Amino acid sequence: EVRLVESGGGLVQPGGSLRLSCSASGFTFSSCAMHWVRQAPGKRLESVSAINYNGGSTYYADSMKGRFTISRDNSKNQLYLQMNSLRPEDTAVYYCVKPVGVPPVGIDYWGQGTLVTVSS
Amino acid sequence: EIVMTQSPATLSVSPGERATLSCRASQSVGSNLVWYLQKVGQAPRLLIYGASTRTTGVPARFSGSGSGTEFTLTISSLQSDDFAVYYCQQYSNWPWTFGQGTTVEIK
Repeated sequence: EVRLVESGGGLVQPGGSLRLSCSASGFTFSSCAMHWVRQAPGKRLESVSAINYNGGSTYYADSMKGRFTISRDNSKNQLYLQMNSLRPEDTAVYYCVKPVGVPPVGIDYWGQGTLVTVSS
Repeated sequence: EIVMTQSPATLSVSPGERATLSCRASQSVGSNLVWYLQKVGQAPRLLIYGASTRTTGVPARFSGSGSGTEFTLTISSLQSDDFAVYYCQQYSNWPWTFGQGTTVEIK
């Protein structure tokens, strides 16, 4: 059974930092690209960042470039998202997701999400 | 980035009736489009990829069509389990972008 479990969310002041983690199991993590997707209250789902199977290629949505860093540790089946210079508009539930297919054709597994609140 | 627009926002349908949901892309995405179903408190479930291919286990009453900028998800005869929020998403260009969702509710 595929499981994705996020952790690391919480309340942070504007300008602060957080590191999200995602523990993956039930599939060959080291063979799969992984993504982070977020959903702010009352807003649509939004792609945050993606990383290829070995960490050699990373992708960011424009509003996250220079502030967020995605990484992975295949020896630990862990995905990370380092978030710096956080803004109130970054408040959202952040999901660790596994795309399906090569090349990816959508998302077949989602974590339960971790809430990030940026507020003073 | 590509903007995805879904219509209508809410669709009221009686069980057994047909539901037609629309999704429009701000530029061509070819057939690189998926549909998800999401119920309250659950993660989205992938229904359709490649605009028209059902994923394993998805009932035949769900069908997707379209290409380029105009797409449709049709549910031929709504069952009680189908009342949910439906999202489209393009994977033609990074960043992947999602529609705002269509809520299918019981009439």
